[in-house]
Amino acid sequence: GAVVSQHPSWVICKSGTSVKIECRSLDFQATTMFWYRQFPKQSLMLMATSNEGSKATYEQGVEKDKFLINHASLTLSTLTVTSAHPEDSSFYICSARGDKSNTGELFFGEGSRLTVL
Amino acid sequence: AQRVTQPEKLLSVFKGAPVELKCNYSYSGSPELFWYVQYSRQRLQLLLRHISRESIKGFTADLNKGETSFHLKKPFAQEEDSAMYYCALGRGSARQLTFGSGTQLTVLP
Repeated sequence: GAVVSQHPSWVICKSGTSVKIECRSLDFQATTMFWYRQFPKQSLMLMATSNEGSKATYEQGVEKDKFLINHASLTLSTLTVTSAHPEDSSFYICSARGDKSNTGELFFGEGSRLTVL
Repeated sequence: AQRVTQPEKLLSVFKGAPVELKCNYSYSGSPELFWYVQYSRQRLQLLLRHISRESIKGFTADLNKGETSFHLKKPFAQEEDSAMYYCALGRGSARQLTFGSGTQLTVLP
């Protein structure tokens, strides 16, 4: 199947700094990418839907100024956690779909673990 | 609002025994249901989707709109089936996924 890669897989930062996480579709063009957040022993919570070349659509309760999403190309979406605080520590996962009909399979990245000290 | 419920966090069965992972949903629109699996130290991957009506690795799931359920079943569990299983509901024009809380299946030898 298609491959989605995230980088970095693990990042530790100081409180107040900003952290960028990349999500790349390696062998297909991702028309739509999704960002999720997963707390320990909990489910994946959708944060936002990202379409190439347009603004991301955020889920209710997700601060768009806190979690900046950019989908500048068909193979790359980035999530920037601005002014990170310890409560932002979590596992962030992206997924991508290559078909414009939105019926195709979603492929998931391996996740990025953020720890804010 | 949409919701996916997986009542069992943990489920253990012996090898060769039947297994059923429960999933119930609530959604006002026409539901599209999926099962995703995450093996140890691996990424989430699609196991099956209700519209395909197929059997993958011996697993099947039938959408029951009357009971709003999409339970995952396998008649004879194997040790390699041990993993985390998530039921998910697709919604909206972009088919965003709402996940259940997951069930950790352990198949004992």
